[in-house]
Amino acid sequence: AQKVTQAQTEISVVEKEDVTLDCVYETRDTTYYLFWYKQPPSGELVFLIRRNSFDEQNEISGRYSWNFQKSTSSFNFTITASQVVDSAVYFCALRSIGSNFGNEKLTFGTGTRLTIIP
Amino acid sequence: GAVVSQHPSWVICKSGTSVKIECRSLDFQATTMFWYRQFPKQSLMLMATSNEGSKATYEQGVEKDKFLINHASLTLSTLTVTSAHPEDSSFYICSADAGTLNSPLHFGNGTRLTVT
Repeated sequence: AQKVTQAQTEISVVEKEDVTLDCVYETRDTTYYLFWYKQPPSGELVFLIRRNSFDEQNEISGRYSWNFQKSTSSFNFTITASQVVDSAVYFCALRSIGSNFGNEKLTFGTGTRLTIIP
Repeated sequence: GAVVSQHPSWVICKSGTSVKIECRSLDFQATTMFWYRQFPKQSLMLMATSNEGSKATYEQGVEKDKFLINHASLTLSTLTVTSAHPEDSSFYICSADAGTLNSPLHFGNGTRLTVT
């Protein structure tokens, strides 16, 4: 079984502050992929990043950065110099490659609602 | 980049009627499509996995006779909510898999269903 935990239900920060969204995952498989998606109020899911289990290198994309640590089963997401447009619900997700090859489903965390206060 | 089109984006229907939601992959062939349901302020819950040309695999607790899924081609999957009731009101979103393990699973924009 696989599970994704986003302990922070809601976070509010003042614009320009940095904020980190936590994600902890569980899986028995050695091969898996981790994702972050953004869901603005309009509802669509915006893909942000994908990481495979064999690549622990951290990644930075503009104001976004991700810290993947297998030792703690965490894949945290940091937004630096936050902006009002960053306000959204952010989902961490896990896709495990197990025995049911070909139908690996994406398991979502419960999401973190981020509000950036102007 | 890959695009998944979901239609309609919103629908209002009366209790007892059926509603069909379409999910199309526009520039790639989707061997597998996933249907999710999202209640307000909650996460996305997988309803079923559909593979082209075969029966869908439903998650535990999802009524297969109520949520009919058809994946007739490599670019189209449909979800039909039969005999809809107010408790079926929700946000339904599909995703399509291009077949590579590390694909980001492209999502449609979702369908907001309101049953009156």
